[in-house]
Amino acid sequence: AQKVTQAQTEISVVEKEDVTLDCVYETRDTTYYLFWYKQPPSGELVFLIRRNSFDEQNEISGRYSWNFQKSTSSFNFTITASQVVDSAVYFCALSEAHPNNAGNMLTFGGGTRLMVKP
Amino acid sequence: EAQVTQNPRYLITVTGKKLTVTCSQNMNHEYMSWYRQDPGLGLRQIYYSMNVEVTDKGDVPEGYKVSRKEKRNFPLILESPSPNQTSLYFCASSPYGDVSGANVLTFGAGSRLTVL
Repeated sequence: AQKVTQAQTEISVVEKEDVTLDCVYETRDTTYYLFWYKQPPSGELVFLIRRNSFDEQNEISGRYSWNFQKSTSSFNFTITASQVVDSAVYFCALSEAHPNNAGNMLTFGGGTRLMVKP
Repeated sequence: EAQVTQNPRYLITVTGKKLTVTCSQNMNHEYMSWYRQDPGLGLRQIYYSMNVEVTDKGDVPEGYKVSRKEKRNFPLILESPSPNQTSLYFCASSPYGDVSGANVLTFGAGSRLTVL
């Protein structure tokens, strides 16, 4: 069965520091997707990125970057020059292809609470 | 504005009193799903629906019911709530149930339920 582990439950940094959120996943499927979602204090879930299992290129979007390494089953998320507005809970998630996942279920990690202090 | 709307956002109830959390989307999405969020466990899928009149169990369906009579609505029903159903609930939708697993879900704002 699939599993996602976010070992860091809470991280606290000072503004402008770089921070990396770790995500390790387990799956027996060769075709799968990995996601990151952000949950700000207001509570909604905001989609950040989707990456498929055949694309190991790193991705950069502004201050955000993602490092996908199949060899270590990791999909880590780095925020460069963190800001107070980055304070949130961040979830990593995995979705396998049908038929292993008929319900298109996302398997979420437990989340990492990031606190960025001014 | 394209969105998923859940109501109520906050609810305190007592054990055994039936309640319904409504979910409505205005994006003509075929796929809808319910998740619950608990500390340290992330989000877990309760039920999903591929289309009207097509629903099925997710990972943690016990104690819940759903229905999908119209494309836009996907209510979550707790027939006899118990304290272990105290949680934060999210409804989500996507254009279709993608067999590749590539679904990007649009989530509602969440409904915080407390069962005493």
